[in-house]
Amino acid sequence: DAGVIQSPRHEVTEMGQEVTLRCKPISGHDYLFWYRQTMMRGLELLIYFNNNVPIDDSGMPEDRFSAKMPNASFSTLKIQPSEPRDSAVYFCASSRHPSGNTIYFGEGSWLTVV
Amino acid sequence: GESVGLHLPTLSVQEGDNSIINCAYSNSASDYFIWYKQESGKGPQFIIDIRSNMDKRQGQRVTVLLNKTVKHLSLQIAATQPGDSAVYFCAENTVRFGNEKLTFGTGTRLTIIP
Repeated sequence: DAGVIQSPRHEVTEMGQEVTLRCKPISGHDYLFWYRQTMMRGLELLIYFNNNVPIDDSGMPEDRFSAKMPNASFSTLKIQPSEPRDSAVYFCASSRHPSGNTIYFGEGSWLTVV
Repeated sequence: GESVGLHLPTLSVQEGDNSIINCAYSNSASDYFIWYKQESGKGPQFIIDIRSNMDKRQGQRVTVLLNKTVKHLSLQIAATQPGDSAVYFCAENTVRFGNEKLTFGTGTRLTIIP
């Protein structure tokens, strides 16, 4: 299995620009998660999907952030406009179910907004 | 000004010795717990899990202990190796507004001294 695949691995962008992060979950996993990791706040859940439907987006920081899952094998996290405080590592993860099943993480997208 | 990040507990262990990493969780209703390992520049990687109806579970060189009375979880790593150097996170499965999700602790940095 290829695991959870994220792109880009690294991105440096200027403040105000749109950023799109991409994720391909493990085939057969019904749940997809977007996490953000920073030194200040640790690992935070932003949003998760079940069968392509957003279930809990209470962790999304503000309206500048949006996430979509148009099909079972693809999801995007978009930041528009980006700000320096958005600099973080963004992880995508997937599982068969969040309870009682392992959540597998991708390698992360390292975002720097200057 | 100086930024203040999370104070990550650290643990240094001589190679070959055993290590114990501790974690306190918050929700007495949590029913599933996972330990993750995160190496530098990588995503969190599953190590071992345990359900609330158990108090101990063993894997290869790792043992997780669960004490529900005091809401405490520990990860024991036997005969540590240099490759065990990483940040270790505990995660608890919580239910919020009817939705389940994993909530991560702040992590402990384990350094194996050759």
